[in-house]
Amino acid sequence: GQNIDQPTEMTATEGAIVQINCTYQTSGFNGLFWYQQHAGEAPTFLSYNVLDGLEEKGRFSSFLSRSKGYSYLLLKELQMKDSASYLCAVRDGDYKLSFGAGTTVTVRA
Amino acid sequence: IAGITQAPTSQILAAGRRMTLRCTQDMRHNAMYWYRQDLGLGLRLIHYSNTAGTTGKGEVPDGYSVSRANTDDFPLTLASAVPSQTSVYFCASHPSGEGTDTQYFGPGTRLTVL
Repeated sequence: GQNIDQPTEMTATEGAIVQINCTYQTSGFNGLFWYQQHAGEAPTFLSYNVLDGLEEKGRFSSFLSRSKGYSYLLLKELQMKDSASYLCAVRDGDYKLSFGAGTTVTVRA
Repeated sequence: IAGITQAPTSQILAAGRRMTLRCTQDMRHNAMYWYRQDLGLGLRLIHYSNTAGTTGKGEVPDGYSVSRANTDDFPLTLASAVPSQTSVYFCASHPSGEGTDTQYFGPGTRLTVL
């Protein structure tokens, strides 16, 4: 199985940068995903990492270190609409996803 | 239909009743999944299907059953609902389960068991 840990809550100011960390212990690894989920809505895909390093997509970047079982999601130039939960998910050797409990990010003006 | 749909959107159910949550996708994806989402616990996999005709158990399968008679539909049945099954249920699909593509999620069903 998987053990995935991420902080419960984070608060930041509009225009700032926030980094959400995710650590995992895995019984097989086939990639790490980050999803965004607004209240009352379905998760939507943000990023995917399978090799070590940084993946950048506009204001969002995601980093992976497989040897450390560690990833982070970096949100830059925060906007009010970025207030949401951010879910870290690890795909195992059977290609099933296991999710962390999610990090609720609140952006304040 | 575009993407993945779920029905009903929400439901209040008496304990002991039978309930089927419906999930349909029109993307011809092979793999489909059912998750439940509870506060503080994140998304947990209930059952999955890698292709039509096959199903498998996830992390929390007890009290639930699924079938996959064709590619498009993946219903989840609660044979005798209990209050601990109060949750938000998400169906998801994936082209094959592998590769760089993500799972696509339906809009969810909010179920309350009294």
